Amino acid sequence: DQQVKQNSPSLSVQEGRISILNCDYTNSMFDYFLWYKKYPAEGPTFLISISSIKDKNEDGRFTVFLNKSAKHLSLHIVPSQPGDSAVYFCAAATQGAQKLVFGQGTRLTINP
Amino acid sequence: DVKVTQSSRYLVKRTGEKVFLECVQDMDHENMFWYRQDPGLGLRLIYFSYDVKMKEKGDIPEGYSVSREKKERFSLILESASTNQTSMYLCAVEGNTEAFFGQGTRLTVV
Repeated sequence: DQQVKQNSPSLSVQEGRISILNCDYTNSMFDYFLWYKKYPAEGPTFLISISSIKDKNEDGRFTVFLNKSAKHLSLHIVPSQPGDSAVYFCAAATQGAQKLVFGQGTRLTINP
Repeated sequence: DVKVTQSSRYLVKRTGEKVFLECVQDMDHENMFWYRQDPGLGLRLIYFSYDVKMKEKGDIPEGYSVSREKKERFSLILESASTNQTSMYLCAVEGNTEAFFGQGTRLTVV
């Protein structure tokens, strides 16, 4: 049972444009969400997070939006840069739970 | 941030070999995890541990075992490596709402 889903395995965006990565979840108990970025042959690194008490969190070029009623979150990157090319994982957690639940990942490619 | 170190970046092993993947953290976190990452399948949880000598099966434990003799060290063991265990293996230390990953071990079983 895939509780966290990233339905787009890949996304290609022109440099300078906006990249939007999507993530859906099924467990309404999740109350904390994270995005990780992973380059080939490296471990994932934390990018940005959001608590369920908020619907938006912004950090520089990265913004995460949370729509609790739709059980949907998205990561916006603007403007997109070549260094943003990576695999992006969304993850969800329940406060007090001991582990994160990850989506399948979306490979983002930024074209010059 | 927590520093998570995996003993090898790249490994090539033969089918049937016993393989040890080591992971060490530099903080005092209880929760340690082993994932494998395969294209299109994302991060799949193999085993995790909440404390020394404790272990819990994840989503895909078959063919693997783990050892946690000390709090800072969590080992993944492939009892008899098979070609379908060729993958990227990632160790993570997780708090309540965050995770810190090692650099990954790319294992190839030939």
